[in-house]
Amino acid sequence: AQSVTQLDSQVPVFEEAPVELRCNYSSSVSVYLFWYVQYPNQGLQLLLKYLSGSTLVKGINGFEAEFNKSQTSFHLRKPSVHISDTAEYFCAVRGAGGNQFYFGTGTSLTVIP
Amino acid sequence: DTAVSQTPKYLVTQMGNDKSIKCEQNLGHDTMYWYKQDSKKFLKIMFSYNNKELIINETVPNRFSPKSPDKAHLNLHINSLELGDSAVYFCASRSLVGTDTQYFGPGTRLTVL
Repeated sequence: AQSVTQLDSQVPVFEEAPVELRCNYSSSVSVYLFWYVQYPNQGLQLLLKYLSGSTLVKGINGFEAEFNKSQTSFHLRKPSVHISDTAEYFCAVRGAGGNQFYFGTGTSLTVIP
Repeated sequence: DTAVSQTPKYLVTQMGNDKSIKCEQNLGHDTMYWYKQDSKKFLKIMFSYNNKELIINETVPNRFSPKSPDKAHLNLHINSLELGDSAVYFCASRSLVGTDTQYFGPGTRLTVL
């Protein structure tokens, strides 16, 4: 089984500053990686995903993430955050060919005006 | 049109009662999921169905019983509700071909008194 670690439970950052949300996974098989965002009182929405190909993946709302196989990481970045980016962010992994998604414990991003 | 819908959005009930949560997706997807999100935002998979067949059945009390009458619906029935069942329950659907994206419903907030 896979597992996902999000080291930072809360990340406060000032508006227009850059941010990085960290995600590490453990798996001995090929994996697919995902970042989801959850706004207050809403369901999860896909930000971006890595299935194959280029290790730098661009998603919605200006976010991007880089798959690093040697470090088993998939960190999420944004060069300049907005107030509207305040939300909970979840990293998830799924084994290639599998059906089960394993989620991290989430990182609460708070953008400070 | 809502891709994945859940009813009800809020459910408040007494301990010991039996309740159901309904989920419907209009995306034509083959696979549907139920997740439980606790008060600390931890997201845990409960069940998954593919074409009405149960494919994932995590360690969940047998008071929880999923039912999939057809590919577009996955309902969750809970017997003898307990305080610890209070959580937000999310339904999700996914297609096994194409974009391989999981779409989440808006969630059902269950409060057991």
